[in-house]
Amino acid sequence: GENVEQHPSTLSVQEGDSAVIKCTYSDSASNYFPWYKQELGKRPQLIIDIRSNVGEKKDQRIAVTLNKTAKHFSLHITETQPEDSAVYFCAAVYSGGGADGLTFGKGTHLIIQP
Amino acid sequence: DGGITQSPKYLFRKEGQNVTLSCEQNLNHDAMYWYRQDPGQGLRLIYYSQIVNDFQKGDIAEGYSVSREKKESFPLTVTSAQKNPTAFYLCASQTAANTGELFFGEGSRLTVL
Repeated sequence: GENVEQHPSTLSVQEGDSAVIKCTYSDSASNYFPWYKQELGKRPQLIIDIRSNVGEKKDQRIAVTLNKTAKHFSLHITETQPEDSAVYFCAAVYSGGGADGLTFGKGTHLIIQP
Repeated sequence: DGGITQSPKYLFRKEGQNVTLSCEQNLNHDAMYWYRQDPGQGLRLIYYSQIVNDFQKGDIAEGYSVSREKKESFPLTVTSAQKNPTAFYLCASQTAANTGELFFGEGSRLTVL
């Protein structure tokens, strides 16, 4: 089945700096890569996603890049703000899969230092 | 107001008791999921259902059971066979399995005393 590795597990950055979270996946059949943000005590929510036919996608301060050859994708947050503090999960999805069609990384705890 | 609702938010039980966590959605989604979240472990799949009257085991199904008798409902029972049941449980739904955004409930925190 699919295996998703996410790094780092904790990331501390100064407010205003950029943050990058990286994920690798093992199954070349995966074709959809969402990122979820979970604030403390709240539910995970989708913040951005990318499909395998696209190399990069941006939404204001957030961007995701995908390298299908190397099987890795990354989340980039620029001009970080206190409200960016949360746990971020990447996932790799194979639309034709069953129970193992969606695999999450273990999460990155992003801390924004004032 | 469309969404996915879990109850109860907090639950305390004694060892050896079965407990059932409720998950209801009014999004008309076919697929529903149960995840367990422990610190540093990410989101681990317990059970999922692609369609009503059908469900499949996930990675950590032992000690858990589910039913999917109605499209909008996917309750999870944590049985006494689950060796370490204290955790945060998240229910999610999706238009169809492995297609697009997962919508999560607010979670249920189970503590076994």
